[in-house]
Amino acid sequence: QQQVRQSPQSLTVWEGETAILNCSYEDSTFNYFPWYQQFPGEGPALLISISSVSDKKEDGRFTIFFNKREKKLSLHITDSQPGDSATYFCAASRDNYAQGLTFGLGTRVSVFP
Amino acid sequence: EAGVTQSPRYAVLQEGQAVSFWCDPISGHDTLYWYQQPRDQGPQLLVYFRDEAVIDNSQLPSDRFSAVRPKGTNSTLKIQSAKQGDTATYLCASRDWGLYEQYFGPGTRLTVL
Repeated sequence: QQQVRQSPQSLTVWEGETAILNCSYEDSTFNYFPWYQQFPGEGPALLISISSVSDKKEDGRFTIFFNKREKKLSLHITDSQPGDSATYFCAASRDNYAQGLTFGLGTRVSVFP
Repeated sequence: EAGVTQSPRYAVLQEGQAVSFWCDPISGHDTLYWYQQPRDQGPQLLVYFRDEAVIDNSQLPSDRFSAVRPKGTNSTLKIQSAKQGDTATYLCASRDWGLYEQYFGPGTRLTVL
């Protein structure tokens, strides 16, 4: 059973639009949620992250909204640019003993000019 | 500051051959992770270290896989007698034990024929 689920599997938006990526998780002990951006042939790059004590985190055009009660979060990419075209992974961990990350399957975003 | 480096970037081998992957973490990062990323999936944790000690290797898929970090800096992941199902990208990540953020290297793309 996938502990971290992402939707949609793929998403196409026009330049300037807002892309919304969804993530949900099963384990209520998860307390740290990073989003990674990955381009083909490269490793994942940390984009933005949130801890379970917050409900919103903003960094430039990227915003995470977090609903602990529903075990859901979303990543909003405003003013999408063609350079944002990549696969985005939602991940989760419990930060006891610096545990590894549990990743979702990813959302492939395509931004057309 | 240099990021996580990995070598080789690519490896192609026949079933039954052995292969080793090498990782140099970010300077000062005491925690090191190895992940396996099958094509079109998210990374999956294999093993992680704090300094030279293995913290968790329960996710290594079989005894054909082994990992070491003898001096608490660089690390090597080895696959003995590779199988076609091992085809994937192998990613190394590092972090400071006291902080949340994990940083990934570019990965080694392995193809087993």
